[in-house]
Amino acid sequence: GQSLEQPSEVTAVEGAIVQINCTYQTSGFYGLSWYQQHDGGAPTFLSYNALDGLEETGRFSSFLSRSDSYGYLLLQELQMKDSASYFCAVRDTRGSTLGRLYFGRGTQLTVWP
Amino acid sequence: GAVVSQHPSRVICKSGTSVKIECRSLDFQATTMFWYRQFPKQSLMLMATSNEGSKATYEQGVEKDKFLINHASLTLSTLTVTSAHPEDSSFYICSAGQGTDTQYFGPGTRLTVL
Repeated sequence: GQSLEQPSEVTAVEGAIVQINCTYQTSGFYGLSWYQQHDGGAPTFLSYNALDGLEETGRFSSFLSRSDSYGYLLLQELQMKDSASYFCAVRDTRGSTLGRLYFGRGTQLTVWP
Repeated sequence: GAVVSQHPSRVICKSGTSVKIECRSLDFQATTMFWYRQFPKQSLMLMATSNEGSKATYEQGVEKDKFLINHASLTLSTLTVTSAHPEDSSFYICSAGQGTDTQYFGPGTRLTVL
């Protein structure tokens, strides 16, 4: 089976830096993705790590340590519009189907002025 | 990035009726699409993998006779919720993969069963 753990809520002020952690236990592992979802909207892709290390995309960075089954999403220079739910998701290599994503429960980020 | 559309965006139906939701990849061909369901304030739950030209693969606990999936072309997959009941009310989201690394999600369909 698949199990992903991430904090349920995080709050911060504008301009701050926030790190959202994700630990996972899966029967197979092909990569860790991060998605952002605003209320009532669809998830939008933020980043993907297949290998250990840090991936940087503008204000957002994502890190993966496969040996620790751990990753995080780092959001810098927070803006009000960053208030949303953030999901980590694992691609599971079980069977012959690639690309299936299994999501964590999501972290609700609230950014205060 | 790749664009995935869904139709309708919202649907309200009576209990016992069937509802069809369409998922289209607009600017790329998708041999595989995925269907998710999300209840309020909860995570996305993978329901099934839709394979073009073959039967869908359902996740454990998802009734294949209730959630009919058809992937008739490389750009279209449909999900039909048969004999809908109020507990089927949810946000249904499809996604399509481009390459092997990224899935792009449709805007979702909010289903309300009265």
